[in-house]
Amino acid sequence: SQKIEQNSEALNIQEGKTATLTCNYTNYSPAYLQWYRQDPGRGPVFLLLIRENEKEKRKERLKVTFDTTLKQSLFHITASQPADSATYLCALWEGGSYIPTFGRGTSLIVHP
Amino acid sequence: GAGVSQSPRYKVTKRGQDVALRCDPISGHVSLYWYRQALGQGPEFLTYFNYEAQQDKSGLPNDRFSAERPEGSISTLTIQRTEQRDSAMYRCASSLDISGYEQYFGPGTRLTVT
Repeated sequence: SQKIEQNSEALNIQEGKTATLTCNYTNYSPAYLQWYRQDPGRGPVFLLLIRENEKEKRKERLKVTFDTTLKQSLFHITASQPADSATYLCALWEGGSYIPTFGRGTSLIVHP
Repeated sequence: GAGVSQSPRYKVTKRGQDVALRCDPISGHVSLYWYRQALGQGPEFLTYFNYEAQQDKSGLPNDRFSAERPEGSISTLTIQRTEQRDSAMYRCASSLDISGYEQYFGPGTRLTVT
């Protein structure tokens, strides 16, 4: 069966460190993978999109990698700040589909 | 500019009543998506539109759920004969182009069926 896995346990890190969040998937062939940020009580906010033929994408302190062999995407926040504390969701788009499938998200808590 | 807005933000209704949830997308956005999000889960796709045409409604749970976007802008998600299991956060998102890839989400409508 198809599955998207994001750590259900919160990730706690110290301010200034690099946070790394994982999105693993099974039985999908995504053409695109996205990462969103969601704060409590608010809708998700789009952060980055990476295509299947791209290994890595960067935007300011954010970096996303996409390994279609391992069926995994890693999301990194460098020099993390308490303001980065939120839930981060990955979403897959299969080739030819305009319907995303979201993971359940991982909570990140950055301690000052 | 204004983001995606949804109304009402909170709706409490009795079992068996019909409810209509409204989504006002960002002006000029072509695609509009409806999702349902349970606590601690990611958004779950319900249906989407390009302009006024409903492209896919495969995520609607049953025929009590319907959606429309008659003029290609505002959309309404209607749930008839509500049941307690319909209680959830309903979110809409809009996207500038038909790919739908970069989506802007609204604040959601929290529906509680008593």
